[in-house]
Amino acid sequence: DQQVKQNSPSLSVQEGRISILNCDYTNSMFDYFLWYKKYPAEGPTFLISISSIKDKNEDGRFTVFLNKSAKHLSLHIVPSQPGDSAVYFCAANNAGNMLTFGGGTRLMVKP
Amino acid sequence: KAGVTQTPRYLIKTRGQQVTLSCSPISGHRSVSWYQQTPGQGLQFLFEYFSETQRNKGNFPGRFSGRQFSNSRSEMNVSTLELGDSALYLCASSFRQENTGELFFGEGSRLTVL
Repeated sequence: DQQVKQNSPSLSVQEGRISILNCDYTNSMFDYFLWYKKYPAEGPTFLISISSIKDKNEDGRFTVFLNKSAKHLSLHIVPSQPGDSAVYFCAANNAGNMLTFGGGTRLMVKP
Repeated sequence: KAGVTQTPRYLIKTRGQQVTLSCSPISGHRSVSWYQQTPGQGLQFLFEYFSETQRNKGNFPGRFSGRQFSNSRSEMNVSTLELGDSALYLCASSFRQENTGELFFGEGSRLTVL
């Protein structure tokens, strides 16, 4: 039972363009949603989060949108840079720091 | 400020053995969580400790256990190792008592079971 799903295993975009990563969830009890970035041979790094009572949160080039009725969230990166190339994990939290992760999307930003 | 430190970084064990992994959280962080990452199952929550008490436990068999010490350092143990336990084990720490899910991860301990 995958409560958090990232349906696109990979995404390729041109430098300077927008990257949009998507995530769907099934559990209405999640109260925080987060995005983590992971480079090879490193642990995940927290990127941005959004509370379930909000529908948008922005931090520099990164914006997360939450659509509760559709149980969908997305991460927008504008403009995309080659250094953004990594695996991005969507995660959801509903008790303590017990995160449920999606399967990840590998983003490749081409120069 | 030093990050989350995990030891050992790599280890190889054989089936039936047991293993202990160690995690030192960021100074001042009192919450420590453990996650297992495998190609097939992705990142899965194992357990979380806060002030030496297990606060949450994931859906793993009893062979997986952990503990937290008074200095917030944590260990996890896997007994009677199986081939399927081969994975990257990630430790994460958090300062906040509020449960926002913002975690600082270590680089992980890669366990190979032969």
